[in-house]
Amino acid sequence: KAGVTQTPRYLIKTRGQQVTLSCSPISGHRSVSWYQQTPGQGLQFLFEYFSETQRNKGNFPGRFSGRQFSNSRSEMNVSTLELGDSALYLCASSPPSIGGANGYTFGSGTRLTVV
Amino acid sequence: DQQVKQNSPSLSVQEGRISILNCDYTNSMFDYFLWYKKYPAEGPTFLISISSIKDKNEDGRFTVFLNKSAKHLSLHIVPSQPGDSAVYFCAASEGSGTYKYIFGTGTRLKVLA
Repeated sequence: KAGVTQTPRYLIKTRGQQVTLSCSPISGHRSVSWYQQTPGQGLQFLFEYFSETQRNKGNFPGRFSGRQFSNSRSEMNVSTLELGDSALYLCASSPPSIGGANGYTFGSGTRLTVV
Repeated sequence: DQQVKQNSPSLSVQEGRISILNCDYTNSMFDYFLWYKKYPAEGPTFLISISSIKDKNEDGRFTVFLNKSAKHLSLHIVPSQPGDSAVYFCAASEGSGTYKYIFGTGTRLKVLA
């Protein structure tokens, strides 16, 4: 079966711009979580959506937002980009029968570079 | 404030020997822990987990040990194989049902043939 698909794979943006990243979960998975990976900080939790509702949120500024559609696809948006937003953004989906990150399937990520 | 710490950014081990990856945490409320493995250009993949009611969990060549009093967990890989070369992340949460996990910064393991 198809895995978690993230688009685009690579993105270069200028400071001050905004960006939208997309994640298509595995069919049947209703929970989608987003993480930011940077070399010094590891994976940091951004937010988690389930049935179009944000259930959990990490400690990121309001410039980071997300949403989930009725087909479980999710997008995250970063406005007013800063150089420090350069990172690998990972999306993970999980089926409703398995709780927690042991049920995660991660996508390959979107590498965002802010210049 | 890093609640989950992997103090060794890298580790090299000879093929066939034991690899020991360490992880420390500060939040005493954490009661569920996982290890993930990540190859370059791929997303992390789940490896093994342990809840706080256990002190050991084994799955084939992989064993995770939990020392709650020391707030320390470790992943043992025996025997190590070149295909195990990857970045390993530990993660922790308050409960297994949550979807909000705190990950460490990762340890890059290199298994030498």
